[in-house]
Amino acid sequence: QVRLVESGGGVVQTEKALTLSCVVSGFTFSRHAIHWVRQAPGKGLEWVAVISSDGTLDYYGDSVNGRFRISRDNFKNTLYLQMNSLRRDDTAIYYCAREADGALDFWGQGTLVTVSS
Amino acid sequence: DIQMTQSPSSLSASVGDRVTIACRASQDIANYLNWYQHKSGRPPKLLISAASTLQSGVPSRFSGSGSGTYFTLTISRLQPEDFATYYCQQSYSTPSVTFGGGTKVE
Repeated sequence: QVRLVESGGGVVQTEKALTLSCVVSGFTFSRHAIHWVRQAPGKGLEWVAVISSDGTLDYYGDSVNGRFRISRDNFKNTLYLQMNSLRRDDTAIYYCAREADGALDFWGQGTLVTVSS
Repeated sequence: DIQMTQSPSSLSASVGDRVTIACRASQDIANYLNWYQHKSGRPPKLLISAASTLQSGVPSRFSGSGSGTYFTLTISRLQPEDFATYYCQQSYSTPSVTFGGGTKVE
């Protein structure tokens, strides 16, 4: 049974940092690229970042590029999202999702990040 | 960057209705188009990949079509559990991807 479980969300002040984690089980983690996708209150889905299966390549959406960093530990079956210089418009539910041939076929339940001054 | 535009942004429908949602890409993306259903408080669910491939367990009343720059998601007979927001997503520019703005079916 494929599972992705996010954690690390919470309330954080503007300009501070926060790191999210996503622990996976039920599939061979090291064979899949994994994405972070977020949904701000009242908004649609926004792609945040992706990391390749071996962790050597990473890409970011324009709104987070230079502030967020995605990483993974294939021995721990864990994905991370380090978020720096947080802004109020980073407030959102953050989902990790497994990629299969370009589609995001399994998603976690999400973790809420609230950025407040 | 490839932009994805969905229409309408919301629609009102009744149980039993046929519903069609459109998604337009800013450039040719062949069939690299996926559809998701998203209900409040739950993670998005992949319905259709590669423009028209129904995922396992997804009811056959859902169908997808299109290629190039224009795609549609059709629900043949709307059921109560289908009221949700639907998103298209292009994977032509993988590893980075783009979602459409969403269509709320209410």
